[in-house]
Amino acid sequence: DAGVIQSPRHEVTEMGQEVTLRCKPISGHNSLFWYRQTMMRGLELLIYFNNNVPIDDSGMPEDRFSAKMPNASFSTLKIQPSEPRDSAVYFCASNGGTVEAFFGQGTRLTVV
Amino acid sequence: AQKVTQAQTEISVVEKEDVTLDCVYETRDTTYYLFWYKQPPSGELVFLIRRNSFDEQNEISGRYSWNFQKSTSSFNFTITASQVVDSAVYFCALSEARRDDKIIFGKGTRLHILP
Repeated sequence: DAGVIQSPRHEVTEMGQEVTLRCKPISGHNSLFWYRQTMMRGLELLIYFNNNVPIDDSGMPEDRFSAKMPNASFSTLKIQPSEPRDSAVYFCASNGGTVEAFFGQGTRLTVV
Repeated sequence: AQKVTQAQTEISVVEKEDVTLDCVYETRDTTYYLFWYKQPPSGELVFLIRRNSFDEQNEISGRYSWNFQKSTSSFNFTITASQVVDSAVYFCALSEARRDDKIIFGKGTRLHILP
């Protein structure tokens, strides 16, 4: 299996622009997680899905952030409008069958 | 509520020394899972080990060993005869699996192995 695939790996955008991060979980996994990593806050869980249904979005910082999982093989995290403080590494992870989560390579987002 | 505390922000040791990374957790659940992940300088997060709350046996994998003690709510990680390639950020994490699949991470410990 190719593992969790995230795109893009790097994104630089201007403040106010819309940003969409993409994730393809490991085939057969039924839970998908979005995390954000910053120096100040460490690894924060933003939202997670089980069987494509959002279970807990309490970590989503504000209404500018939204996430969808239209099918078992694809999820998006959207920020609109983006702000410089959104600059971080965003990780997608999935699990299924075992409780540990397997992570993608991350998307490094820079908002200027 | 779930909480994972890694009190050591940064540790530096000389190669071949042993080093222990501390992890203390909080949970109201009786069934839970504990994890360690490694984040090398390249940035990916690599799963190292999972332990469930009913299994307090210590585990050894090569130079790595883990000590799980429910009495002190700790799940410490020891690297024996450290090597420069062990330099990374190490995260301890917790999942209350009976509630949901959510995995909460500690802030991480940055480990520097000096040649």
